[in-house]
Amino acid sequence: TQLLEQSPQFLSIQEGENLTVYCNSSSVFSSLQWYRQEPGEGPVLLVTVVTGGEVKKLKRLTFQFGDARKDSSLHITAAQPGDTGLYLCAGATDSSYKLIFGSGTRLLVRP
Amino acid sequence: NAGVTQTPKFQVLKTGQSMTLQCAQDMNHNSMYWYRQDPGMGLRLIYYSASEGTTDKGEVPNGYNVSRLNKREFSLRLESAAPSQTSVYFCASSRGQGTDTQYFGPGTRLTVL
Repeated sequence: TQLLEQSPQFLSIQEGENLTVYCNSSSVFSSLQWYRQEPGEGPVLLVTVVTGGEVKKLKRLTFQFGDARKDSSLHITAAQPGDTGLYLCAGATDSSYKLIFGSGTRLLVRP
Repeated sequence: NAGVTQTPKFQVLKTGQSMTLQCAQDMNHNSMYWYRQDPGMGLRLIYYSASEGTTDKGEVPNGYNVSRLNKREFSLRLESAAPSQTSVYFCASSRGQGTDTQYFGPGTRLTVL
């Protein structure tokens, strides 16, 4: 069974601080997706990383895929209250139609 | 384009009642999915449909049935609701395989008393 573990589960920080969220597995994935979900809404895709060692930047968000394609991280620089939400990682394999979701990291950025 | 729509948005059932959750997408996607989301457990796949005319079990299929009515619509049925099925249900669609972006609906919040 493929599992994705996210840490931390909950993070409360002050506006302007930096943070990193981790997504780890013992399985290899062909790609890793990061979603953000706001209360009362469905998850929305932020980024997909497909190559081991790949780094993608989306404004203040930096996503990295581990060299072995078993783990990923999301780093937010100078967090803002608008970054508040639930961050989910999800792994995919080429041979499957299924995404395996992590349990999520709930981020609260205080003004 | 509306994307993925789900009805109803909220529902309260008594134990043993049945209901169908409706989902439709207007993006001409081939694949559709039903997930449930419980606190601290992320999203768990209930059933999926890789293409029109096919359905397969996901991680937690027990107590549910699905119908891929046509390319646009994918419904989820609870035949005899149980309190353990209290959850938020999300429908999603994608162009193809799991590596493709999945687009999610707004969710249905279901409470079973």
